[in-house]
Amino acid sequence: QQQVKQSPQSLIVQKGGIPIINCAYENTAFDYFPWYQQFPGKGPALLIAIRPDVSEKKEGRFTISFNKSAKQFSLHIMDSQPGDSATYFCAASTKAAGNKLTFGGGTRVLVKP
Amino acid sequence: NAGVTQTPKFQVLKTGQSMTLQCAQDMNHNSMYWYRQDPGMGLRLIYYSASEGTTDKGEVPNGYNVSRLNKREFSLRLESAAPSQTSVYFCASVDSGTQPQHFGDGTRLSIL
Repeated sequence: QQQVKQSPQSLIVQKGGIPIINCAYENTAFDYFPWYQQFPGKGPALLIAIRPDVSEKKEGRFTISFNKSAKQFSLHIMDSQPGDSATYFCAASTKAAGNKLTFGGGTRVLVKP
Repeated sequence: NAGVTQTPKFQVLKTGQSMTLQCAQDMNHNSMYWYRQDPGMGLRLIYYSASEGTTDKGEVPNGYNVSRLNKREFSLRLESAAPSQTSVYFCASVDSGTQPQHFGDGTRLSIL
């Protein structure tokens, strides 16, 4: 039972393009939605996170859009660069359950020069 | 400041062998977690420790045991390794009630 569904599994864009990764969740108790970035051979690292009381959050070239009624959230990478090539994971957690993260399946993004 | 350190980085085992994966954090975090990462499935929680002296099962605990040795260290043990446990294992830690979780660089485990 996958509580957080992520799509697409992989994405190829040209430099300057805007990769968009989508996630959908089922548990309405989730109250924290982070995105993690993972480079080969490394552990995931927090990229940006949002709570359900806001609909959008920007940090540099990364933007999260959040739709509470649809139980969906997405990551946009503006002006993508080859250095953004990585695997991206969405996740969700609830404080009531000890902040355990439930992860989506991951999206491998390749930004071509 | 090392953050979360996992040892070993790579290991090959034969079916039926046992092994302990080590994890240590130097951030004085209360909570620690063990995940496994498999292609297309993201990271799945094996066990976690909300605080020193407590451990609880996650989503996929079968075949594993854990020990929270002290506040810094949280180990994962495979008593009788099976090929289905071939995976990349990540340890993470977080201060209670706050995010984000900080991850180590993983242990790549192959079981033949």
